[in-house]
Amino acid sequence: EAGVAQSPRYKIIEKRQSVAFWCNPISGHATLYWYQQILGQGPKLLIQFQNNGVVDDSQLPKDRFSAERLKGVDSTLKIQPAKLEDSAVYLCASSLKREAHLETQYFGPGTRLLVL
Amino acid sequence: GNSVTQMEGPVTLSEEAFLTINCTYTATGYPSLFWYVQYPGEGLQLLLKATKADDKGSNKGFEATYRKETTSFHLEKGSVQVSDSAVYFCALSRGSARQLTFGSGTQLTVLP
Repeated sequence: EAGVAQSPRYKIIEKRQSVAFWCNPISGHATLYWYQQILGQGPKLLIQFQNNGVVDDSQLPKDRFSAERLKGVDSTLKIQPAKLEDSAVYLCASSLKREAHLETQYFGPGTRLLVL
Repeated sequence: GNSVTQMEGPVTLSEEAFLTINCTYTATGYPSLFWYVQYPGEGLQLLLKATKADDKGSNKGFEATYRKETTSFHLEKGSVQVSDSAVYFCALSRGSARQLTFGSGTQLTVLP
């Protein structure tokens, strides 16, 4: 079974530029998560999708971050414009169902973003 | 709100040593508790979990017991191997959609 795919793996941009990350979850997984992991910290949830609907985006900085999951499969996370403090690893995860306490989340390798 | 506090790292041990990584949590009610592991160059993987008080999660020789009275979920292994070198994250799941809240991670290095 193929795992969660993410691209690109690395990205370097200058502040105020825009950037987009792509995630392809495990086939059949209804729930998709985007996390931000700043160096030395644990992952922090940005947004959770159930199929193509948003379950929780309370920690997403909506003035600059946006995410979509058209057709309930692939997802894209965008930052526009980027700030220095956005430098982090962006992780995508998926699970069969919505309940994290019952379902294992499977994580992709992440996209490492450096904003100069 | 929910939070997870992990033992500060990094931790360096010799092969076959005993491992304990401390984890305590703050949450209302009865969260589910998890340990995730991140090997070098790989994504996070679930190591073990426990969904109610006194449950013991175990996998690959690692164990952790859900202790409600001390709000703890310490990770233990009796004899570590070089291949156990990784970053370990404690996490809890609580709330209506049960999202994960992670600790800051503990880097473990095992020397031969």
